[in-house]
Amino acid sequence: KAGVTQTPRYLIKTRGQQVTLSCSPISGHRSVSWYQQTPGQGLQFLFEYFSETQRNKGNFPGRFSGRQFSNSRSEMNVSTLELGDSALYLCASSGQANTGELFFGEGSRLTVL
Amino acid sequence: DQQVKQNSPSLSVQEGRISILNCDYTNSMFDYFLWYKKYPAEGPTFLISISSIKDKNEDGRFTVFLNKSAKHLSLHIVPSQPGDSAVYFCAASVAGGTSYGKLTFGQGTILTVHP
Repeated sequence: KAGVTQTPRYLIKTRGQQVTLSCSPISGHRSVSWYQQTPGQGLQFLFEYFSETQRNKGNFPGRFSGRQFSNSRSEMNVSTLELGDSALYLCASSGQANTGELFFGEGSRLTVL
Repeated sequence: DQQVKQNSPSLSVQEGRISILNCDYTNSMFDYFLWYKKYPAEGPTFLISISSIKDKNEDGRFTVFLNKSAKHLSLHIVPSQPGDSAVYFCAASVAGGTSYGKLTFGQGTILTVHP
């Protein structure tokens, strides 16, 4: 069974630009969550989608947005990039209810110059 | 406000000995706790979990202990192996409701197991 796939793996942007990251969950998983990992901050929850609906949102500014498609694939977008947005963005999918066991992709490493 | 804290940024252990990683939480609503392991250039992988109705869960070399009154959990690895060297994240969730994918993570502890 294929794992969670994230694209692109690495990307470099400049301040003020916008970026779109993509995530394909494990087949059959309907929940997709996004996390931001920065040094010293651990993983910070961005948002979660289930059946094309945003179910939970973390404490991030409105520049961070996402969506989920009918095939459960998800995208997240960051507009007006800032230097502090440089991070590893991780996508995770879940097929089980209420257990918290998430399956993570390898992440998209974003560098903002 | 860090609701899940791992106060030890790093831990160094000799192969064959016990590794003990600690985690504290402040939110009383958390009722499900997990440990994830992360190697460089890979996403975190699920290791072991525990529900708040238990105080211990064991899976092979890995055991998680939960002390609800102290809001503290720990992960024991016995015996430790060099392949266990990784970053370990503690995470917590509110299992009820609609929070399938929302976990609150600690900052992580870098475990190094020396041969």
